[in-house]
Amino acid sequence: KAGVTQTPRYLIKTRGQQVTLSCSPISGHRSVSWYQQTPGQGLQFLFEYFSETQRNKGNFPGRFSGRQFSNSRSEMNVSTLELGDSALYLCASSLVLSGGYEQYFGPGTRLTVT
Amino acid sequence: DAKTTQPNSMESNEEEPVHLPCNHSTISGTDYIHWYRQLPSQGPEYVIHGLTSNVNNRMASLAIAEDRKSSTLILHRATLRDAAVYYCILSFRLWGMNYGGSQGNLIFGKGTKLSVKP
Repeated sequence: KAGVTQTPRYLIKTRGQQVTLSCSPISGHRSVSWYQQTPGQGLQFLFEYFSETQRNKGNFPGRFSGRQFSNSRSEMNVSTLELGDSALYLCASSLVLSGGYEQYFGPGTRLTVT
Repeated sequence: DAKTTQPNSMESNEEEPVHLPCNHSTISGTDYIHWYRQLPSQGPEYVIHGLTSNVNNRMASLAIAEDRKSSTLILHRATLRDAAVYYCILSFRLWGMNYGGSQGNLIFGKGTKLSVKP
C-alpha cells in the first residue's frame, strides 16, 4: 500500500504570496490532518478533515485554510505569506477520525518564505 | 489540554533495552496514550498506542501504570536506526465527537531525543 504523499516537497515563496500544498492519504483513509513544524514551536496541529468537512482546528490565523475532496485528497492554502510561515508542513492520514487511531505521516513539504 | 512530560534526552547502547518514560498526571478516562517517533529529516512515525492495558507490537511495548498517570515505551533491543525524537501524546476526543474547546487531535510536546551508541 502506498504511503502518504505530499507535493511539492520543497517550495520557495516570497512574502505576501500565497501557496497551496497537496496531500494524498493512504488509500481507504478518510481523515487528513495538517501540522506545521518549526524549530522553535515544534509540531503544531493546524486542522483535520474528515469526509470533506473540517472537524477540528488548531490555533492558527485565518490565513491558513484547507479543504478535502471526495477522494479524501486534501489541500492546504496559506495566503499573504509571512517570513514566520517558513516551516515543514506535514500531513497525516488516518482510517477514521484520528482520536484513538494511529496517524500516518507524509514526508512533508518544506516551505521557505523569503 | 492534557499534557505530557518527558525527559529532554536519553542515551542507550546498541542492542540494549530502552525505557522511555512519560508522565501524564492530568489524563482523563477517555484519553488514549500515543507514541510517535521522528527520525531525522522524516515525518513522525506511529509507534504504538493504548488506553488502559499494556500493548505490544512489532516495534515496541507500551506499559501503562495502573492509575494511568504515567506510561513507558519499551524498545526491547535498541538499534542505531532507533535514534530519533520520541513523542508521548494524549488524544482527548470521544469517538466521532469533539470536546468543547478541543484544540486538536494530537498535541506534540518537545519529546525525548534518544541517542543510540554503537
